[in-house]
Amino acid sequence: DIVMTQSPDIVAVSLGERATINCKSSQSVLYTPNNENYLAWYQQKAGQPPKLIIYWASTRESGVPDRFSGSGSGTNFTLTIDSLQAEDVAVYYCQQHYRSPPYTFGQGTKVEVK
Amino acid sequence: QVQLQESGPGLVKPSQTLSLTCSVSGGSVSSGPYYWSWIRQHPVKGLEWVGYIYYTGSTYYNPSLGGRVTISADTSENRFSLNIASVTAADTAVYYCARRGNYGGTLDYWGQGILVTVSS
Repeated sequence: DIVMTQSPDIVAVSLGERATINCKSSQSVLYTPNNENYLAWYQQKAGQPPKLIIYWASTRESGVPDRFSGSGSGTNFTLTIDSLQAEDVAVYYCQQHYRSPPYTFGQGTKVEVK
Repeated sequence: QVQLQESGPGLVKPSQTLSLTCSVSGGSVSSGPYYWSWIRQHPVKGLEWVGYIYYTGSTYYNPSLGGRVTISADTSENRFSLNIASVTAADTAVYYCARRGNYGGTLDYWGQGILVTVSS
């Protein structure tokens, strides 16, 4: 199975500042025939299920604010939240969805307000 | 808007079978190209994909569960079910049903989740 490792475990950022979360996969999730990275990001608020916010490493799901952006390729990826809002407090998970299951998740990064 | 809702017992005894059902509205478990999935969230181990059933009826089960999983669909009731046999305390988790959608193996619609505790 592909192992997903996120860092840091906790990010504390002041409102209006930038939060950055890293995700590393144990093998490349770049599918060269279509040049897509099979990497997604989810946001999970307390008491709620995860919500898909980014897929193909950098494509925002419909309705997701543009302060959320994803980048990276191969094995190293980043989720950036520009100008953190109070409603962005959550745990964020990366997930590889490369070719065949099992599709594995990172351990999660908690975003807090400093 | 697709909606999913899990139901089933919140407490299961060790060695028994965990059985959950996911009712779907706003979409059909018999129409493609969707995979109707079960995900579980352990307090410590995090998120784990348990398995899925494709609209054609084909299934996938995560080998990590050691062959104890069965997922089936009832198209007349528009729902799908999860059975995990011979449960132990390690199966205690929040279980979510979800739809694997249009973007590879991503999950675009989720149920609210149900906590299942394995204890005597």
